[in-house]
Amino acid sequence: SAVISQKPSRDICQRGTSLTIQCQVDSQVTMMFWYRQQPGQSLTLIATANQGSEATYESGFVIDKFPISRPNLTFSTLTVSNMSPEDSSIYLCSVDLWSPNSGANVLTFGAGSRLTVL
Amino acid sequence: AQKITQTQPGMFVQEKEAVTLDCTYDTSDPSYGLFWYKQPSSGEMIFLIYQGSYDQQNATEGRYSLNFQKARKSANLVISASQLGDSAMYFCAMREGDQTGANNLFFGTGTRLTVIP
Repeated sequence: SAVISQKPSRDICQRGTSLTIQCQVDSQVTMMFWYRQQPGQSLTLIATANQGSEATYESGFVIDKFPISRPNLTFSTLTVSNMSPEDSSIYLCSVDLWSPNSGANVLTFGAGSRLTVL
Repeated sequence: AQKITQTQPGMFVQEKEAVTLDCTYDTSDPSYGLFWYKQPSSGEMIFLIYQGSYDQQNATEGRYSLNFQKARKSANLVISASQLGDSAMYFCAMREGDQTGANNLFFGTGTRLTVIP
């Protein structure tokens, strides 16, 4: 299975600043996905990042707030812009990979980036 | 209607005992997949087990098994011989239709399992 490296693992940020989260995969993948998990909540899909095209954002998420880069098939970044305390969450990147053991595509996640905005 | 429902916000189990975490789903698509993930306090999401809608047998993976009852639309996770390291949040998820992508993947609200020594 793929190894997904995500950094930073955690950070404490000041209101009004921006932070970029990096996600590196050890194999080439067409799509990478960014999720947000607010405290005590389930996962919410922010956007799908395709190499060579603009990211596709889900309802409630906009590019100005969460700009995404996808410069190649193994790397993506998510920026959380102009942060407020409501942005305090775990942000996770993921890729969809074939699992021979399961006989299906399985969403595999990075370790997550836990952001606290003061 | 919720696509995935996990009715147990929290569960407790004695170490070495078995525990069942409930999950029901709602879909009219005949083709779907069901997943269980574990999220320890560190925050990472760890894939545990998968069940396809056309699979005849219940999926098993080590100490994890999935009790798939298609007519009831339930996909409960059974953890046998619980260990302290099993203490975590557990999320049930369903993917509808095409078996790739993320915008057709729906997560439940999770169940927090605590294993008592």
